Amino acid sequence: ILNVEQSPQSLHVQEGDSTNFTCSFPSSNFYALHWYRWETAKSPEALFVMTLNGDEKKKGRISATLNTKEGYSYLYIKGSQPEDSATYLCAFKRGSYIPTFGRGTSLIVHP
Amino acid sequence: DTGVSQNPRHKITKRGQNVTFRCDPISEHNRLYWYRQTLGQGPEFLTYFQNEAQLEKSRLLSDRFSAERPKGSFSTLEIQRTEQGDSAMYLCASSLGGADNSPLHFGNGTRLTVT
Repeated sequence: ILNVEQSPQSLHVQEGDSTNFTCSFPSSNFYALHWYRWETAKSPEALFVMTLNGDEKKKGRISATLNTKEGYSYLYIKGSQPEDSATYLCAFKRGSYIPTFGRGTSLIVHP
Repeated sequence: DTGVSQNPRHKITKRGQNVTFRCDPISEHNRLYWYRQTLGQGPEFLTYFQNEAQLEKSRLLSDRFSAERPKGSFSTLEIQRTEQGDSAMYLCASSLGGADNSPLHFGNGTRLTVT
């Protein structure tokens, strides 16, 4: 069973703060790394699918980087807004196997 | 694209009863996944299908759990003789097979409470 670790487990920030969290995964046989946002009472929504070492992806105020050699990905949120409050999940994919999820980082943005 | 649909949204059952959940994936997606999520944990993989073939079922939690996708479209997940430890959110997701960098598209989940 693959070990996908996310830190921190939870995070409280003030509106306007920038923040980042980490996803760590096994560095061998990397295939893809997914980021999802899961808002309360909704379904998880895909943010990014990253496949290449050094990948950087951006969607509005959210961006992500990928280092497959050392086995980590960072998710950054610039100028956090209350609507960014959600659980952010990463999922690691090895080969054509199933995406394995971390526990998530719960972000709460206070107005 | 109407999204992934799961029914029911909530299910309360007594211990020992059988329950069945349904998932309707996005129509052109040939891969379908079932995950379970409990409080404080990430989604835990249970099983997945490519079309009607169940390609991985060793991670189903016990022989009380079974899943089907008879015509390669909708899927059902059945739990027999439910136990209180089965209380969780059961998530279904679908994706385009063959495009292995395609993301999962999730339904809203079925929340099971076993009393």
